[in-house]
Amino acid sequence: QKEVEQNSGPLSVPEGAIASLNCTYSDRGSQSFFWYRQYSGKSPELIMFIYSNGDKEDGRFTAQLNKASQYVSLLIRDSQPSDSATYLCAVRGFGNEKLTFGTGTRLTIIP
Amino acid sequence: DAGITQSPRHKVTETGTPVTLRCHQTENHRYMYWYRQDPGHGLRLIHYSYGVKDTDKGEVSDGYSVSRSKTEDFLLTLESATSSQTSVYFCAISESPTLSGIGGYEQYFGPGTRLTVT
Repeated sequence: QKEVEQNSGPLSVPEGAIASLNCTYSDRGSQSFFWYRQYSGKSPELIMFIYSNGDKEDGRFTAQLNKASQYVSLLIRDSQPSDSATYLCAVRGFGNEKLTFGTGTRLTIIP
Repeated sequence: DAGITQSPRHKVTETGTPVTLRCHQTENHRYMYWYRQDPGHGLRLIHYSYGVKDTDKGEVSDGYSVSRSKTEDFLLTLESATSSQTSVYFCAISESPTLSGIGGYEQYFGPGTRLTVT
């Protein structure tokens, strides 16, 4: 079983709709959760991080964390073509300065 | 980019030759990491550093060595390059949480090095 799992996609969403990206993790002691966006041929860019159960909002992005169910999600509201990218979920374990990355979900926003 | 540069940005080399990739940061962050990214495998940690001269292995460290003689520089060396080491290599940096305990360990990535071993 992979430590951090994401649906590889591609996930296609119409422009203006809500894109929902999901990530599950196996280490129940994980403490911190991160979402990165990676455009083709570019490096990963941090867009959100979350530590506590519940929702965290930043502009059009909302990260949701449910530690009991061991999943974290990213919602993108009012999706734009510029949101088309691969989204990487990363998890930090307890007392660990390293991150474990999922393989990413490719998102395509259809105009 | 959070003050992170990588050099070279592209390199083609032959099997069996040594290769050194450099990561340089201007953020004075404590932690530095080397990853490789391959289709279907995502980002995999090669080595990381938690301070000057302090390094540790990641999940795919075989065939790679690292050195960190200064806070700002982290070098990745392929002792004898093989075709299986053809990949995109990313350096990342992070810092410990603040005294308030908020944040910390979020990683910021350099622009990457595309290495081809023929």
